[in-house]
Amino acid sequence: DAGVTQSPTHLIKTRGQQVTLRCSPKSGHDTVSWYQQALGQGPQFIFQYYEEEERQRGNFPDRFSGHQFPNYSSELNVNALLLGDSALYLCASGASYNEQFFGPGTRLTVL
Amino acid sequence: GNSVTQMEGPVTLSEEAFLTINCTYTATGYPSLFWYVQYPGEGLQLLLKATKADDKGSNKGFEATYRKETTSFHLEKGSVQVSDSAVYFCALVLLSSGSARQLTFGSGTQLTVLP
Repeated sequence: DAGVTQSPTHLIKTRGQQVTLRCSPKSGHDTVSWYQQALGQGPQFIFQYYEEEERQRGNFPDRFSGHQFPNYSSELNVNALLLGDSALYLCASGASYNEQFFGPGTRLTVL
Repeated sequence: GNSVTQMEGPVTLSEEAFLTINCTYTATGYPSLFWYVQYPGEGLQLLLKATKADDKGSNKGFEATYRKETTSFHLEKGSVQVSDSAVYFCALVLLSSGSARQLTFGSGTQLTVLP
């Protein structure tokens, strides 16, 4: 079992650009959540996808959007990047009662 | 709203010392509580969990007891090792019908164990 995988590992963008991050959930999981972890902070919930729909959203602007595919994998898109979007983006998948498994994250740097 | 407060770090201990990392929470309901660990350059790993009051979660020598009366979930280990050096996050999740199981995290506590 490969666990939760994310790509790419690292990414460097400039302000105003757009970025797409990808996540493959753990086998048997149908729910994918995305979190943003700024340096020295705890992860902040962005949104969760289930059955290809956004089920819940945290306090993030519309520049952050996502998608879930029929195979349960997911993408996180961020438009009009700001310096403050620099962070580690974590994907978590789950299926059972309240337990989520995290991927290694994608480190995004915005210059 | 829901929130988690952790003791501020960093925490530096000698090997075999006793560890306590304090965590308190505020929640509108009855949350499940978690401790996650993050090693340098890696994602989060679930360390232990407790789903109801008075439950004790334990794993790899770490323990935490869900105290509803004090809204706390303090992490303890009797004898730390150098390999325990990492950032520790306390977190909660509230479940309700249709809930997205959104995790709310504390700000993390950096632990360094010296040989």
